[in-house]
Amino acid sequence: SSELTQDPAVSVALGQTVRITCQGDSLRSFYASWYQQKPGQAPVLVIYGRNNRPSGIPDRFSGSSSGNTASLTITGAQAEDEADYYCNSRDSSGNHVLFGGGTKLTVL
Amino acid sequence: EVQLVESGGDLVHPGRSLRLSCTASGFTFGDYAMSWFSQAPGKGLEWVGLIRSKAYGGTTEYAASVKGRFTISRDDSKSIAYLQMNSLRTEDTAVYYCSRGFIPPVSAWWFDPWGQGTLVTVSS
Repeated sequence: SSELTQDPAVSVALGQTVRITCQGDSLRSFYASWYQQKPGQAPVLVIYGRNNRPSGIPDRFSGSSSGNTASLTITGAQAEDEADYYCNSRDSSGNHVLFGGGTKLTVL
Repeated sequence: EVQLVESGGDLVHPGRSLRLSCTASGFTFGDYAMSWFSQAPGKGLEWVGLIRSKAYGGTTEYAASVKGRFTISRDDSKSIAYLQMNSLRTEDTAVYYCSRGFIPPVSAWWFDPWGQGTLVTVSS
């Protein structure tokens, strides 16, 4: 399969935990990476590999994977976490890049 | 500080060509793959293609939607990656981003950081 599927929108109450998921066959072979994009800004990498955070990304962001599903969890969501989140993976051939359609996270 | 700056975006007519540049600083450019992405207005991210470092042959990969029309190249002496866009279509209208690629041969890939993007508008 050449697709990654994300829920279009998710909401979370301030301070609560939210999980954003990404499904696709390629995720059985390769870990996903996750990007945060706020309006008018470039994407920012928040999780890569098994569960790695780049420098400067708060530890409330974590990643996990099971079967064909990758998840981004925000534990204790903050107002500044409101953004679009995209998952990304290599495709099953290993030479191309896939993106999910993105999930719009609203923090209530 | 690692920084990427795209330039070259413009308004062009369908069928014409355009070359985008991605100027890098703050890291050893030649040691990394570089990738291009697009984002049409109000839409999600799409991968355009990538170029590997010379250590991995400097080879390129492209999305099916641009293969044969777009070409990625690099000048390691200037720390610049290029995206040559030919036979442009209205559907190529998007913000184009470049990013440094971490693309190990047998494990997950990721891209970090991203430039601020440059807008390409294809319209008659």
